[in-house]
Amino acid sequence: AQSVAQPEDQVNVAEGNPLTVKCTYSVSGNPYLFWYVQYPNRGLQFLLKYITGDNLVKGSYGFEAEFNKSQTSFHLKKPSALVSDSALYFCAVRDKGFQKLVFGTGTRLLVSP
Amino acid sequence: GAVVSQHPSWVICKSGTSVKIECRSLDFQATTMFWYRQFPKQSLMLMATSNEGSKATYEQGVEKDKFLINHASLTLSTLTVTSAHPEDSSFYICSATPSENRDTQYFGPGTRLTVL
Repeated sequence: AQSVAQPEDQVNVAEGNPLTVKCTYSVSGNPYLFWYVQYPNRGLQFLLKYITGDNLVKGSYGFEAEFNKSQTSFHLKKPSALVSDSALYFCAVRDKGFQKLVFGTGTRLLVSP
Repeated sequence: GAVVSQHPSWVICKSGTSVKIECRSLDFQATTMFWYRQFPKQSLMLMATSNEGSKATYEQGVEKDKFLINHASLTLSTLTVTSAHPEDSSFYICSATPSENRDTQYFGPGTRLTVL
């Protein structure tokens, strides 16, 4: 069975500092990995995905994520955080053969001025 | 591109009534749409997978007679909560997968349902 773990309920970072939101996954085959962001009372916005290819994936709003197969991780990163990045971030995984996404529990990012 | 809309954005109804939520893919055709439910401060739970022209596939524990899903066209899926009760109050989110690129799901803005 597929699963995703986001070990941190909340991440606090000062504006201008680099940020990392952690995600580890478990899937039987080759993983398709995704990051989404959710602002209050809104749906999810797609940030980036890893399907195959380069382990470093660049996405929207300056975010990037690094796929690490040996550590089964897909951490979300940004070199310089903005206050407007404060939101709820979800990591998700699906097996190549299936369309169903499995989401992590979410990590709230709080960027302070 | 890849915009998904939901209507209504919020709805308040009396217990025992039925509520229909629409999910539309605005600029792409979606063979498959998904319906999720999100409780406060929790993750998204998949309720069902909706395929155009066929019956929806429901996740374990989701009552198909209570949550009716219709995917009548490649751009529209509807979720009807029948005989709603207060415990059905939640945030319902749909997503759609473009027919030509089924790798990524694009999400609607969500519908906040409150049952009194």
